[in-house]
Amino acid sequence: SQQGEEDPQALSIQEGENATMNCSYKTSINNLQWYRQNSGRGLVHLILIRSNEREKHSGRLRVTLDTSKKSSSLLITASRAADTASYFCATDADTGGFKTIFGAGTRLFVKA
Amino acid sequence: EAQVTQNPRYLITVTGKKLTVTCSQNMNHEYMSWYRQDPGLGLRQIYYSMNVEVTDKGDVPEGYKVSRKEKRNFPLILESPSPNQTSLYFCASSLSAGGQTEAFFGQGTRLTVV
Repeated sequence: SQQGEEDPQALSIQEGENATMNCSYKTSINNLQWYRQNSGRGLVHLILIRSNEREKHSGRLRVTLDTSKKSSSLLITASRAADTASYFCATDADTGGFKTIFGAGTRLFVKA
Repeated sequence: EAQVTQNPRYLITVTGKKLTVTCSQNMNHEYMSWYRQDPGLGLRQIYYSMNVEVTDKGDVPEGYKVSRKEKRNFPLILESPSPNQTSLYFCASSLSAGGQTEAFFGQGTRLTVV
C-alpha cells in the first residue's frame, strides 16, 4: 500500500527558481522524512520532521507538515542544476508496526 | 566511513535459480530493511528487521526470504526467482525502527531475471 503520494510527479524549473514538492499520506504518522535519489543510486536522507513539528529548515530546504491535512511539502530555494534528482517522502505508519512507507517520488529537473 | 554495502551491484540470472543478495552495515544499527524500486511505484518495503533474529514482512514479501543472524548482515534470498522480480533492490539501515531516525541506503542491486 502507498502511504505517501508525491505531487507533482515531475517538475522542471530554471536554476535560481524555487521548487515545491508535496506529499500526502493516508494514516496518522509519528514522523515524516524526505529523501533524495540521484539517477538510480541509493537514497540520501534530507530531513526528518516529527508529527508535533510544523516546520523545519536545513540549508536551502524547508519542510512543512500539516497533520490535519495529512500532507507535507518540501521547498528547495534558489535551486541549482545539482538539485536535479528524484525526491521521496517516507513515513512510518502509526498502526503498531514498524514499516517504512515511501511514495512514488517527484522527479525534479533544474535547467542551467 | 559509515556505510551500507550491498553485493552484487548487478546480477542477471535465470528463472528458478536461487540467489542471495548480501547487505552489511558498519554503524551498529538495529533496524534494517530491503526495498524494491520499480518505475512509477517508488520504493516498496519487502522485509524489515528490528534486531538479530527479529524479522517481519513489509508490503511485498512474496517470493523473498531474509535472515538476521548477525546485527550487521541482512541478506535477501530469492529461492526461485521469477521475471516479475526483475527490479532495483536497496538495503537500508537505521538506528531505530522505520521512520524514527534517518536511514542509510546501499548503492542498490539491479537484478534481471530472464
